[in-house]
Amino acid sequence: EVQLVESGGGLVQPGGSLRLSCAASGFRFSDYAMTWVRQAPGKGLEWVSGIRYNGEDKYYADSVKGRFIISRDNSRNTVFLQMNSLTADDTAVYYCTKTGSSGWWGDHWGQGTLVTVSS
Amino acid sequence: EIVMTQSPATLSVSPGERATLSCRASQSVGSNLAWYQQKPGQAPRLLIYAASARATGVPARFSGSGSGTEFTLTISSLQSEDCAVYYCHQYDHWPPPHTFGQGTKLEI
Repeated sequence: EVQLVESGGGLVQPGGSLRLSCAASGFRFSDYAMTWVRQAPGKGLEWVSGIRYNGEDKYYADSVKGRFIISRDNSRNTVFLQMNSLTADDTAVYYCTKTGSSGWWGDHWGQGTLVTVSS
Repeated sequence: EIVMTQSPATLSVSPGERATLSCRASQSVGSNLAWYQQKPGQAPRLLIYAASARATGVPARFSGSGSGTEFTLTISSLQSEDCAVYYCHQYDHWPPPHTFGQGTKLEI
């Protein structure tokens, strides 16, 4: 059974940093691209970042480019999202997703971790 | 960036009836489109990928169609548990970002 468990969310002040983790199990982690998707309170889904299976190619939404860094450790079956220079607009539930076998749809989703940016 | 537009924003349907949800892309995404269901307080769940392929465990009453810029999610014979927000998602554009529609809230 595929499982994705996010952690690292919490309350952070504007301008601060946070590092999210997503621990994966139940599939060959090193074979799949992984993505992060966020959802602001009461709003829709926003694609944030994605990383290829081998970690060599990384992609970002314009809204987070230059501030967020995605990475992965295939030996630990974990994907990370380093978030810097956080603003109130980054307040959201952050979901980790496993992509599909032949495309970057969200095959499986974690339960999400809440990030709140507030003073 | 490809803009995904869903309609209607809210759809009210009676149990047993059919619901038709639409998603339009600002440029062609081929068949690289997925649909998700999100119930309150839960993570999204994959329903459809590649425009018309049903994900594992998804009931047969859910079907997807379309290609290019026009897509449809059809839910036949609605059941009370289908009350949710439905999102379309294009994953065609390269390089990413891969954009979502704003969602359709289905009320039963």
